Amino acid sequence: QSVLTQPPSVSAAPGQKVTISCSGSSSNIGNNYVSWYQQLPGTAPELLIYDNNKRPSGIPDRFSGSKSGTSATLGITGLQTGDEADYYCGTWDSSLSGVVFGGGTKLTVL
Amino acid sequence: QVQLVQFGGEVKKPGASVKVSCKASGYTFTSYGITWVRQAPGQGLEWMGWINVYNGNTNYAQKLQGRVNMTTDTSTSTAYMELRSLRSDDTAVYYCARSKGYGAPPDYWGQGTLVTVSS
Repeated sequence: QSVLTQPPSVSAAPGQKVTISCSGSSSNIGNNYVSWYQQLPGTAPELLIYDNNKRPSGIPDRFSGSKSGTSATLGITGLQTGDEADYYCGTWDSSLSGVVFGGGTKLTVL
Repeated sequence: QVQLVQFGGEVKKPGASVKVSCKASGYTFTSYGITWVRQAPGQGLEWMGWINVYNGNTNYAQKLQGRVNMTTDTSTSTAYMELRSLRSDDTAVYYCARSKGYGAPPDYWGQGTLVTVSS
């Protein structure tokens, strides 16, 4: 049971847009920055978004992040088959004094 | 370029200990911390803790307190994570990753080390 709640799976057609939600509480998302990670099959996670909506160098602007209250959202536009992966949200949890992750969302590009 | 290289895999018996290594290159090792994250087969990510490479301070996940020890060797730019009293549910891929602070998002990750705990 993850502290942050994500939908197990989402799907969309190539070229379309998809959003992935991440729900938490005031002890985590509500008062801390959110980051997002992409994990392609069989590989290590990669940082996609940090500080709610910032992209590391090299991450295309098709990926975006936002936060409102105790929820965060990852958006991906112009979907490509290469975007098929597991996506995780993460943030600091003040009650647990540790980083917490969502359970992950599997994106399928139909 | 920044690289974190992890070597091989390990098979351990229940009750044993494992020490996973992570060699960093391409940046000033003492300017960043090292985060450890594990992922059980088919499961999500679990944060294990963080070590400040500069001064050795650590911050561990509550559920692993007393069983985990994170260290670094600045002469070889290598980080280590030792987990004791292994159980079958410690079977996972263990990742090291670079991060500025104990709650900061890791920006570069190692390729992972599979640790299998089995009798």
